Amino acid sequence: SQTIHQWPATLVQPVGSPLSLECTVEGTSNPNLYWYRQAAGRGLQLLFYSVGIGQISSEVPQNLSASRPQDRQFILSSKKLLLSDSGFYLCAWSGTRQGGEQFFGPGTRLTVL
Amino acid sequence: QQQVKQSPQSLIVQKGGISIINCAYENTAFDYFPWYQQFPGKGPALLIAIRPDVSEKKEGRFTISFNKSAKQFSLHIMDSQPGDSATYFCAALRGFGNEKLTFGTGTRLTIIP
Repeated sequence: SQTIHQWPATLVQPVGSPLSLECTVEGTSNPNLYWYRQAAGRGLQLLFYSVGIGQISSEVPQNLSASRPQDRQFILSSKKLLLSDSGFYLCAWSGTRQGGEQFFGPGTRLTVL
Repeated sequence: QQQVKQSPQSLIVQKGGISIINCAYENTAFDYFPWYQQFPGKGPALLIAIRPDVSEKKEGRFTISFNKSAKQFSLHIMDSQPGDSATYFCAALRGFGNEKLTFGTGTRLTIIP
């Protein structure tokens, strides 16, 4: 069966510090991968998605970036965090066999102070 | 064209009652409509999904009703229980090759005893 991991689970960072969030998927190959952000009590904002290694599409211009160094690894980064980067970051995957269904990871709660 | 409008924003239902959440879309190219359930601090989990070739899909106490001509779909939770208290998101997808889900803004459902 497929599983998706995210770490860390929680993170408190000062403004201006760098960020690296990691997501890995097990039990499937060549998944589509997604990064979402969810502000407190709000909906899901798609940040990046990837259909393959090294292929990243950005949905929202901001100071975040994403990379996919391996087939089942997706990384969200920032060189300098802003207060507005606080939120709940969710990684998700989908595959052609799943017919469009996306499966979400447990999320990372990021607080920028 | 890409929006999915969800209502209500919040909903309070008595235990044993029927919870109804509605969504509407504009893009007639959408052909997959999932509902996600999210508990506080957790990632969303796929609850039930429907394709436009059927008007209704039922899984246990959860039913999706789909009206293609009105471009609307809704989630019905029968015999609502306190454990159903969560945030619910509708979503829509436009075919394979475009694996980005368009999410509604979410409904916070509270089931009271």
